[in-house]
Amino acid sequence: EDKVVQSPLSLVVHEGDTVTLNCSYEVTNFRSLLWYKQEKKAPTFLFMLTSSGIEKKSGRLSSILDKKELSSILNITATQTGDSAIYLCAVVTTDSWGKFQFGAGTQVVVTP
Amino acid sequence: NAGVMQNPRHLVRRRGQEARLRCSPMKGHSHVYWYRQLPEEGLKFMVYLQKENIIDESGMPKERFSAEFPKEGPSILRIQQVVRGDSAAYFCASSPPGDTIYFGEGSWLTVV
Repeated sequence: EDKVVQSPLSLVVHEGDTVTLNCSYEVTNFRSLLWYKQEKKAPTFLFMLTSSGIEKKSGRLSSILDKKELSSILNITATQTGDSAIYLCAVVTTDSWGKFQFGAGTQVVVTP
Repeated sequence: NAGVMQNPRHLVRRRGQEARLRCSPMKGHSHVYWYRQLPEEGLKFMVYLQKENIIDESGMPKERFSAEFPKEGPSILRIQQVVRGDSAAYFCASSPPGDTIYFGEGSWLTVV
């Protein structure tokens, strides 16, 4: 059975800290892994990763995929209170585009 | 370019009534997806539709739930004879073919 596991489930950090979120997956016919940020409403797209070892970066956020380890990490540097959210990882396979399998998410709380 | 539009944003139904949720995809997007998020759980795929076609409904409950995406007008997710367990956030997403999906703000259904 396919599964996507995120860790930790939640964490609390102080502003300015760096956080690293993990996503591991076990799926057949892996195609891509996506990261979303959810703040009590619509999940907002962050990154899509298809090739192993290539870092995607957007401001203070970055992510990288390791296909050998079947995992991805999402880094947030110099965290701000506005980074408080649930971060979702999703995996899609080659045989079922659109049927994203989501992990349970990591809740990040950034305190002032 | 307007995002994915969902309505209503909040809906309250008594047990046994019908709930009808609507979704208009982003301009230029021909693929629509419905996901459900139960309290304290991650997003679960329900159905993937193109205009007038259901591509993958493997995540839809076998009874009471149906979805359509007609040639004209929004996609509709219909839940007949709602029960308390149907209370959840229902997210619609859309995409161009084979590209990342973008979520709407969600419709929160409460069954009383």
